[in-house]
Amino acid sequence: DIVMTQSPDSLAVSLGERATINCKSSQSLLYNSNNKNYLAWYQQKPGQPPKLIIYWASARESGVPDRFSGSGSGTDFTLTISSLQADDVAVYHCQQYFTVPHTFGQGTKLEIK
Amino acid sequence: EVQLVESGGGLVQPGGSLRLSCAASGFTFGDYWMHWVRQAPGKGLVWVSHINTDGKITTYADSVEGRFTISRDNARNALYLQMDSLRGEDTAVYYCVRDGGLGGHLDYWGQGALISVSS
Repeated sequence: DIVMTQSPDSLAVSLGERATINCKSSQSLLYNSNNKNYLAWYQQKPGQPPKLIIYWASARESGVPDRFSGSGSGTDFTLTISSLQADDVAVYHCQQYFTVPHTFGQGTKLEIK
Repeated sequence: EVQLVESGGGLVQPGGSLRLSCAASGFTFGDYWMHWVRQAPGKGLVWVSHINTDGKITTYADSVEGRFTISRDNARNALYLQMDSLRGEDTAVYYCVRDGGLGGHLDYWGQGALISVSS
């Protein structure tokens, strides 16, 4: 199975500042035939189901604010929130869908400093 | 509006069985692969199973292989998860999730159904 490791486990950032969450996979998620990275990011607020925010490592889901961006390729990926808003407090999960089982990272809890 | 509504959760004794259902609406159900993902209390997300559009391709996590069965009824716009030989470690919220297509990112999630396995 592909192991997904997120860092840090928790993060506190001031309002308006940049938040960066990392995700590392145990093997490459880049499919050479289409040059796509099979990596998604989800936001989960307390008591709610996860919400898709980024797929193909860098494609923003419809309706997601443009302060959210995804980057990276191969085995190293990053979710960046350019200017943290109070509404962004949540747990963020990365997921690989390169192969089954579709494994998730352990989650990163983002809070306001 | 896409909606996924799980039902059938509850308390069950170890070794028992339960069947989860997911009612889908707001999209052409038969055009999409579907998944079950679970989350134990206070823990991370764990992919459980997926099924292709006509129900002929199914895959399971090792932890549930041989005990859980995913199925679908496209005429009823419904997804199912039959869970047998339940264990304490199966205690979790189970989410019905739509596959976004062309890969496996998960674009719509139900609110989840809680399964508690305890004597």
